[in-house]
Amino acid sequence: EIVMTQSPATLSVSPGERATLSCRASQSVSSNLAWYQQKPGQAPRLLIYGASTRATGIPARFSGSGSGTEFTLTISSLQSEDFAVYYCQQYNNWLLLTFGGGTKVEIK
Amino acid sequence: EVQLVQSGAEVKKPGESLRISCKGSGYSFTSYWISWVRQMPGKGLEWMGRIDPSDSYTNYSPSFQGHVTISADKSISTAYLQWSSLKASDTAMYYCARQVGAALDPWGQGTLVTVSS
Repeated sequence: EIVMTQSPATLSVSPGERATLSCRASQSVSSNLAWYQQKPGQAPRLLIYGASTRATGIPARFSGSGSGTEFTLTISSLQSEDFAVYYCQQYNNWLLLTFGGGTKVEIK
Repeated sequence: EVQLVQSGAEVKKPGESLRISCKGSGYSFTSYWISWVRQMPGKGLEWMGRIDPSDSYTNYSPSFQGHVTISADKSISTAYLQWSSLKASDTAMYYCARQVGAALDPWGQGTLVTVSS
């Protein structure tokens, strides 16, 4: 099983500031990585796939980077609606998809 | 609009059986796999398994193999997740999601399953 580790667990950021979230894989997943956003009481929403491609309708302030075992999600200027929990997910192993434990982005 | 609509919340007793559903619309249901994901209260996301609606081929996470069954009826564009004997530890929100490549998009709204005596 590929273990995904996200850091930090909680990130306190002021509106308008930049947020940088990290995701590490226990072995290489190439660029087969997705990021999701989950707001309280809502289902997760796909933000990024292929490590760096924004899903349909996702604002340009969200960007993804990395390959292999190290990945980053950057939110360039946090808006009020961006405070949420973010999960990474690998799909290099199609037989067993795995998620990271999540990073909660909260208002500082 | 591509949508997955799940069945409503359930309250069950330990030992009871349950089947929850996920109906797809706005796309060719047999062209994309459907995955199921568990979220226990206050916890993260766990992938349970998936089904290819075109031929009902399934594969499961080892953590869930033998504990749940995933099925589909392509004639009504619906996937199912079922338990034969629920436990209190099955209390969670369950999501279905369309698998595009292997990213999950979109997700259903979730079905809350509560198991309590």
